[in-house]
Amino acid sequence: EAGVAQSPRYKIIEKRQSVAFWCNPISGHATLYWYQQILGQGPKLLIQFQNNGVVDDSQLPKDRFSAERLKGVDSTLKIQPAKLEDSAVYLCASRGQNSPLHFGNGTRLTVT
Amino acid sequence: SQQGEEDPQALSIQEGENATMNCSYKTSINNLQWYRQNSGRGLVHLILIRSNEREKHSGRLRVTLDTSKKSSSLLITASRAADTASYFCATDKSVNNNAGNMLTFGGGTRLMVKP
Repeated sequence: EAGVAQSPRYKIIEKRQSVAFWCNPISGHATLYWYQQILGQGPKLLIQFQNNGVVDDSQLPKDRFSAERLKGVDSTLKIQPAKLEDSAVYLCASRGQNSPLHFGNGTRLTVT
Repeated sequence: SQQGEEDPQALSIQEGENATMNCSYKTSINNLQWYRQNSGRGLVHLILIRSNEREKHSGRLRVTLDTSKKSSSLLITASRAADTASYFCATDKSVNNNAGNMLTFGGGTRLMVKP
């Protein structure tokens, strides 16, 4: 089966600019996650979707981060405006019924 | 916040030796999972152990779970240079019956296996 697809692979922006990341989960996976992984740390959950509904977004900085999964398949994560501390790898993962998480290779964001 | 904390943060061993990584967590869980991450890549699921299990094996991997101590260990036997990666534990606890479970990762152990 095809894995979780993410794009772009790398992105460099200046602070206060906007950026968007895209994720296409494994076909049929109802649950989709966005994680932020700062260098040297473990992934931190930003938001979890079940189909097109939000299950948990308690750690999403909602003043600058937004995410949507309108049709319950693809998802986008947006940062507006970006700060230096947003430099990290943004990982998307999906999960089917009673299965472990399947991760994409992530988008590495550098904010200068 | 990080639910699981791995120990040690970094581990360097020779090929052929065994590697043991530990994970401690704070709240009750449904299961605990271990993932591996190669540099520049996403995480890959290795093994899942349920809260009512004490030990599980998969190839060269052995995982133990002690719910009374809220801790788990991952043992890699006869390590290979290709095992060099970061290893993360993740705790899985239910949010509600209709939604996916919440998975919270620890900070990871960076393993280097020298040839």
